[in-house]
Amino acid sequence: ETGVTQSPTHLIKTRGQQVTLRCSSQSGHNTVSWYQQALGQGPQFIFQYYREEENGRGNFPPRFSGLQFPNYSSELNVNALELDDSALYLCASRLGLAGSRGIGELFFGEGSRLTVL
Amino acid sequence: QKEVEQNSGPLSVPEGAIASLNCTYSDRGSQSFFWYRQYSGKSPELIMFIYSNGDKEDGRFTAQLNKASQYVSLLIRDSQPSDSATYLCAVPHSGNTPLVFGKGTRLSVIA
Repeated sequence: ETGVTQSPTHLIKTRGQQVTLRCSSQSGHNTVSWYQQALGQGPQFIFQYYREEENGRGNFPPRFSGLQFPNYSSELNVNALELDDSALYLCASRLGLAGSRGIGELFFGEGSRLTVL
Repeated sequence: QKEVEQNSGPLSVPEGAIASLNCTYSDRGSQSFFWYRQYSGKSPELIMFIYSNGDKEDGRFTAQLNKASQYVSLLIRDSQPSDSATYLCAVPHSGNTPLVFGKGTRLSVIA
């Protein structure tokens, strides 16, 4: 149990629609990252928020956007969904920019599985 | 763009054997390395991290790092069926931003 919860756990959308995925981090975890994991692949870094500001972004287009809120919750928004957006979306949090065991100490939620038809 | 390479497997070992999982990375400047375990349908969980050349042991797990060869490995001694999972190798993306993951190696421990 990591204390990171994500919703919804599963959802189905059609191409062109928009989706919002939500994450609630452990209390005090002011850094949250989002990852996309396609089937059979490792997680791909989308972006990171620290104290409600984006401070790192992977190779994802602008239609992937996010927000982090003062209550340690965050959301990932994806506009104009494409078939290739079908994946497991993982939220991960930690305290500060580096956890007690370094920046690799990420606590993952169970993910939101998105299917785009 | 940093890259992390892993053999996707599956790697099958009998119960009680040593499982050896390997990972290579492209950025010679990488300083820290992480191993995550991911059970099917679940999220990744951190099991080991290593910063210094050599071996680091934690219970049945040993991480080995060779920075000159840009190679990091994870050994699992006395493998159990419950160790059957995908093992992900990860290195930091840059500075304080999080991790670049390999594709993972699927391990199957046969009872």
